[in-house]
Amino acid sequence: EVQLVESGGGLVQPGGSLRLSCAASGFTFSSFEMNWVRQAPGKGLEWISYISRSGSTISYADSVKGRFTISRDNAKNSLYLQMNSLGAEDTAVYYCARATVAFDYWGQGTLVTVSS
Amino acid sequence: EIVLTQSPGTLSLSPGERATLSCRASQSISNYLAWYQQKRGQAPRLLIYGASSRATGIPDRFSGSGTGTDFTLTISRLEPEDSAVYSCLQYHSSQRTFGQGTKVEIK
Repeated sequence: EVQLVESGGGLVQPGGSLRLSCAASGFTFSSFEMNWVRQAPGKGLEWISYISRSGSTISYADSVKGRFTISRDNAKNSLYLQMNSLGAEDTAVYYCARATVAFDYWGQGTLVTVSS
Repeated sequence: EIVLTQSPGTLSLSPGERATLSCRASQSISNYLAWYQQKRGQAPRLLIYGASSRATGIPDRFSGSGTGTDFTLTISRLEPEDSAVYSCLQYHSSQRTFGQGTKVEIK
């Protein structure tokens, strides 16, 4: 069974940093592209980052470019999102999502709250 | 950035009725469009990919159509469990984007 489990969310002060993790199981992680998607409270879905199977190709939404860094460790079946210079607008549930045709499997999300 | 505009914002229908949801892209995305269903407190679930292909386990009352810039998700006979927010995703561009969502309410 495909499983994606996010962790690392929590309360952080404005300007702070946080590192999210996504543990993958039930499939060959290194064979799949991965993404991070977030959803602010009461709002729609926002794609924020993509990483290729090897990690050699990466892209970001303009809203996070220069502040967030996506990475992966295929040996550990894990996806990461390093988030720096966080602001209130980054408050959201963060999901990791596997990509085959579109985003076919999603984790349950981890909540990041940016507040003083 | 490719902008996806969904309409209507909210759809209120009775069980057994037909729901028609629209997603319009700001430029051509061929058939690189997916539809998701999201219920309160849950992660999105893939319904349709490639504009018209149903994902595994999705009932055949869900269907997708369109190509280029105009796409439609149709729920042929609404059931109470179809109450949710439906969002479209384009994966034509390296910068993926979602529509803002359509809320489907069952009367």
